[in-house]
Amino acid sequence: RKEVEQDPGPFNVPEGATVAFNCTYSNSASQSFFWYRQDCRKEPKLLMSVYSSGNEDGRFTAQLNRASQYISLLIRDSKLSDSATYLCVVGHNDMRFGAGTRLTVKP
Amino acid sequence: ETGVTQSPTHLIKTRGQQVTLRCSSQSGHNTVSWYQQALGQGPQFIFQYYREEENGRGNFPPRFSGLQFPNYSSELNVNALELDDSALYLCASTPGGGGEETQYFGPGTRLLVL
Repeated sequence: RKEVEQDPGPFNVPEGATVAFNCTYSNSASQSFFWYRQDCRKEPKLLMSVYSSGNEDGRFTAQLNRASQYISLLIRDSKLSDSATYLCVVGHNDMRFGAGTRLTVKP
Repeated sequence: ETGVTQSPTHLIKTRGQQVTLRCSSQSGHNTVSWYQQALGQGPQFIFQYYREEENGRGNFPPRFSGLQFPNYSSELNVNALELDDSALYLCASTPGGGGEETQYFGPGTRLLVL
């Protein structure tokens, strides 16, 4: 079993759609959680940290369920510029990345 | 921009050769981590350096080695290159010694092994 597993995707959605990504992790002692965004042939960039209480940043909402070892990312009102690969990241002494989920937002 | 720089941007080597990749961390950051990202995969943790000492290592063989210098810049060395070493190599810096802090990535070095 992989340490961090994500929806395989790809997700192809129209502009304005709401899309949700899921991620599970295997190490119950993990201490930090993030979503990163990676554009084609670019480096990953931090999208948002994920807190136990859940957090929101504009159109983006992240949730963490420690009991189920599950993280989610919700994107509302999708924009063309949201097209990218979204990486789920879990930290425990070091950072473990999921394989990523590719999102394409179409006009 | 994160302020993390890497060199070279691209590199082509042949099997069996050795390669050195370089990274300058963001100002004020004393921790550097290296990752390997194969095509279609997420970054895989290679190792981390904190104040010039290795501070954690992923599941990579000893032919992957590194250094961190007093100015906190870092090198990744790979000996006896194999075809499967072809990947994007990413360097990331963090301000403290915690391996689970937010990582600020450089643009990466694309290595092709023929």
